[in-house]
Amino acid sequence: GESVGLHLPTLSVQEGDNSIINCAYSNSASDYFIWYKQESGKGPQFIIDIRSNMDKRQGQRVTVLLNKTVKHLSLQIAATQPGDSAVYFCAENNSSGYSTLTFGKGTMLLVSP
Amino acid sequence: GAGVSQSPSNKVTEKGKDVELRCDPISGHTALYWYRQSLGQGLEFLIYFQGNSAPDKSGLPSDRFSAERTGGSVSTLTIQRTQQEDSAVYLCASSLNLAGVTSGANVLTFGAGSRLTVL
Repeated sequence: GESVGLHLPTLSVQEGDNSIINCAYSNSASDYFIWYKQESGKGPQFIIDIRSNMDKRQGQRVTVLLNKTVKHLSLQIAATQPGDSAVYFCAENNSSGYSTLTFGKGTMLLVSP
Repeated sequence: GAGVSQSPSNKVTEKGKDVELRCDPISGHTALYWYRQSLGQGLEFLIYFQGNSAPDKSGLPSDRFSAERTGGSVSTLTIQRTQQEDSAVYLCASSLNLAGVTSGANVLTFGAGSRLTVL
């Protein structure tokens, strides 16, 4: 079946570096993508989203890039901080009047001071 | 309320017992979702409620799992005759789920989850 997956299960960076977390999706009908951040013991928190008619969207210190040609999604975090340490999930949605998200397995981001 | 509230936060039970997990969604959110997160895994969709429509139960792993949503608000996920493989964090989320609305309105807001351990 269709699935969303991640290239790197763990990413370790130094404080102040830029981080890039990657995600591959396989459902070509997906038209909406979200990145969530999950800190230990908490539920996932929304970071940023992007629709398939866009290839880039920026937020505060975060940028999401979408490459529909190769079905690839990435989350870039600028000037990574220790508080960014968490598991990051990408999720896809094929709206079709539906809002059930399909999540990938997640990438653990570890930020060293 | 201000956020999605789930209870209990932790539940330890013996194999074969029934458990109930509760979710209070954000007031006004018409859509409610249950997901399951096993250790080191992504989120597995279980069930979705939207207003008064019949719920989408396609993600429930077996007939031991059931869920209901009373009055379009609070939801209860019930697991009967629990097994060790049911051990996981059960996450509830809600959203406005406005049909035809572009990104933002359909963002899911998650609760902190209920951690279930079956001994």
